[in-house]
Amino acid sequence: QKEVEQNSGPLSVPEGAIASLNCTYSDRGSQSFFWYRQYSGKSPELIMSIYSNGDKEDGRFTAQLNKASQYVSLLIRDSQPSDSATYLCAVNNDMRFGAGTRLTVKP
Amino acid sequence: SQTIHQWPATLVQPVGSPLSLECTVEGTSNPNLYWYRQAAGRGLQLLFYSVGIGQISSEVPQNLSASRPQDRQFILSSKKLLLSDSGFYLCAWRVSYEQYFGPGTRLTVT
Repeated sequence: QKEVEQNSGPLSVPEGAIASLNCTYSDRGSQSFFWYRQYSGKSPELIMSIYSNGDKEDGRFTAQLNKASQYVSLLIRDSQPSDSATYLCAVNNDMRFGAGTRLTVKP
Repeated sequence: SQTIHQWPATLVQPVGSPLSLECTVEGTSNPNLYWYRQAAGRGLQLLFYSVGIGQISSEVPQNLSASRPQDRQFILSSKKLLLSDSGFYLCAWRVSYEQYFGPGTRLTVT
């Protein structure tokens, strides 16, 4: 069965630190990878997509993809309290989602 | 730009009552549309997806059904709700590889 795994957390980091979120997937043929942010009570919001091995940066966010090791990660630099949310990893065209990692950034 | 609407935003229904949730998309044609459910504190469960009018694929057998009567309209229904149907229902649409979610409907079955 194709699976997407994330640490459920919660992950707590101090304000200004780097938050590192990880996701592994079982389908070696996966080609597209996504990170969503979901604030409590709200719908998920797409924040990053990545399709090639390596790093992709967008502001304070960096997505990292390693297809050989079947993992994708999201780094949040200079973490802010407003980054406190659940982060969902999604894989491929059929959009299989991980269960999400709850991040808390403490002032 | 594309916009996705869902209504109602919240709904409280008794067990055994019917359900109809509606999703509409603006600003695009022939989108792929999806219904997800998220139980409290849980991940997203894909319920149905549609690649066109009248074309529905079901991911999980249950007492829910979906219909797509128009290109940009996707409806989730049930004839008799169960307590286990409570959750946050999300409609989503896809552009190329990326998927975007509507605001969601929070359903509580009592």
